Amino acid sequence: QLQLQESGPGLVKPSETLSLTCTVSGGSISSSSYYWGWIRQPPGKGLEWIGSIYYSGSTYYNPSLKSRVTISVDTSKNQFSLKLSSVTAADTAVYYCARHDIVATIFGSWGQGTLVTVSS
Amino acid sequence: EIVMTQSPATLSVSPGERATLSCRASQSVSSNLAWYQQKPGQAPRLLIYGASTRATGIPARFSGSGSGTEFTLTISSLQSEDFAVYYCQQYNNWPAFGPGTKVDIK
Repeated sequence: QLQLQESGPGLVKPSETLSLTCTVSGGSISSSSYYWGWIRQPPGKGLEWIGSIYYSGSTYYNPSLKSRVTISVDTSKNQFSLKLSSVTAADTAVYYCARHDIVATIFGSWGQGTLVTVSS
Repeated sequence: EIVMTQSPATLSVSPGERATLSCRASQSVSSNLAWYQQKPGQAPRLLIYGASTRATGIPARFSGSGSGTEFTLTISSLQSEDFAVYYCQQYNNWPAFGPGTKVDIK
């Protein structure tokens, strides 16, 4: 059974870079059938897709965040990672990693999410 | 940019009753529309994709309809475990979610 688990600091200072990793178990991140993505949810608010990556390293990002986002993949560790630079309080959110089909961005499997707070 | 809207923001329903949730896209997304259920403290769960196809393991009381810009999620007879927030999401281009509809107990 596929499992995704987010990890990383729960507190980041303003202007610094948020870094999270998603570890995939019960399946291979190198599957040719799927992309791997990040979605966030500010407390009490809705969902926002951040970006996605294929095992080959091909990425696509939400245009509204593209200038600050980098997503990378480490197939040897079955992990993919998110970096979000120049964070502000508006980036405080629960960050989810998820898997979607290569044909359509339908998020069928999700991690449990991790809360990242931006505060000094 | 495609903007998704959902109505109502909150829907109060008694157990056993029918719930009808609406989702609208600012431009046509064809049938590239998914619905998710989210309970407090949990990740969203995929219910419907392709506007009307139930995901694996989703009970038949959940049904989706619509195409283009207008979509509906219907829960035919609400069970206690169905009280949650429901989000629609278009995937016609880069994915965007609606603001959600909270279904609570009347």
